[in-house]
Amino acid sequence: DIQMTQSPSSVSASVGDRVTITCRASQGISSSLAWYQQKPGKAPKLLIYAASSLQSGVPSRFSGSGSGTDFTLTISSLQPEDFATYYCQQANSFPYTFGQGTKLEIK
Amino acid sequence: EVQLVQSGAEVKKPGESLKISCKGSGYSFTSYWIGWVRQMPGKGLEWMGIIYPGDSDTRYSPSFQGQVTISADKSITTAYLQWISLKASDTAMYYCVRKIPASGTGFDYWGQGTLVTVSS
Repeated sequence: DIQMTQSPSSVSASVGDRVTITCRASQGISSSLAWYQQKPGKAPKLLIYAASSLQSGVPSRFSGSGSGTDFTLTISSLQPEDFATYYCQQANSFPYTFGQGTKLEIK
Repeated sequence: EVQLVQSGAEVKKPGESLKISCKGSGYSFTSYWIGWVRQMPGKGLEWMGIIYPGDSDTRYSPSFQGQVTISADKSITTAYLQWISLKASDTAMYYCVRKIPASGTGFDYWGQGTLVTVSS
């Protein structure tokens, strides 16, 4: 199985800050990576697919980059509604695997 | 409008069987993979397996192979996740998800989740 490792596990930031979350795959996955946002008590929501494609309806302050084994999710200017947990997921080969999550908290 | 609507919360005893459902609507059910994701209380997301309703091709995570069965009935556009003998460790929220057709993409629609509680 391909292992996905996110860092950091948690981060504190303020409204307006720029935040970057990283995700590393244990082997190359080309651009087959997705990012999700999950708020407490809610189902996750797709933000980015194919490493850098913004899902319809997702604000443009979210962006993704990377290929191979190293990927990043960047939020350019944090808004109050962005405080949540973020997960990466590889979609290169079965079994698809998720990272352990990054909790974004208000400073 | 695309929707995945899951069956309601379940409370079961260890050793009991269970089948939960996920009804897809608003799209061609047989043309998209449908997967299942587990989230144990306070924990992260775990990919369990996936089925292509068009031909019933099914893939499992090694962690869940033999522990659950994924199936689909295309006549009623519904996917299922089934246990023969539940354990307390199966207590979790279970989400069904639709995979974007292109390779290397993710899950664009999620069900609302089914909470399964297994307790004696």
